[in-house]
Amino acid sequence: GNSVTQMEGPVTLSEEAFLTINCTYTATGYPSLFWYVQYPGEGLQLLLKATKADDKGSNKGFEATYRKETTSFHLEKGSVQVSDSAVYFCALSDSAGGTSYGKLTFGQGTILTVHP
Amino acid sequence: EAGVAQSPRYKIIEKRQSVAFWCNPISGHATLYWYQQILGQGPKLLIQFQNNGVVDDSQLPKDRFSAERLKGVDSTLKIQPAKLEDSAVYLCASSLGPGRTFGSGTRLTVV
Repeated sequence: GNSVTQMEGPVTLSEEAFLTINCTYTATGYPSLFWYVQYPGEGLQLLLKATKADDKGSNKGFEATYRKETTSFHLEKGSVQVSDSAVYFCALSDSAGGTSYGKLTFGQGTILTVHP
Repeated sequence: EAGVAQSPRYKIIEKRQSVAFWCNPISGHATLYWYQQILGQGPKLLIQFQNNGVVDDSQLPKDRFSAERLKGVDSTLKIQPAKLEDSAVYLCASSLGPGRTFGSGTRLTVV
């Protein structure tokens, strides 16, 4: 079956540091890949997505590239802010094209804390 | 546009008691999902509705969990009887097209 593995956390950084959160996946076919963010006390929000190999998703300074050869979708940001402190989830959908009807499989989440 | 509304925000019950959660999706969203998020894990899909029909309930523990979506709008998720391992955040999400909008969740503690 499908699975998503994220780097173990928590991750603690100083403001303006470079961020990488690793994500690898196992899936059959051509899944779509997502990063969701969960701020304290709030629901999950879609941060970015990529629907085919070599696509790069980007939003709010975050980027991730769909690497089929390494089955990875690592999240990066060049300069983090205190407001980026949250839990980040990598996920895949078994419906190609990124539609809502594919079943979403989530990783375990990575807690990010950014200090001033 | 109003978001996905869930209630209550928090619930503490004793094991073997019953509990119900309520979700009001975004107006017009045909697809509704219930997820269980255990501390330290990613959300796990419990059940997916398309209008008022069930699309996927393969991971719903049907001996104790039930869900309904009457009239294809609001939905309720019930647990009866609750076990200690049901302690989790229960997330509701809805969608019309690509992507899902999540509610803030109900945090259930079973003691």
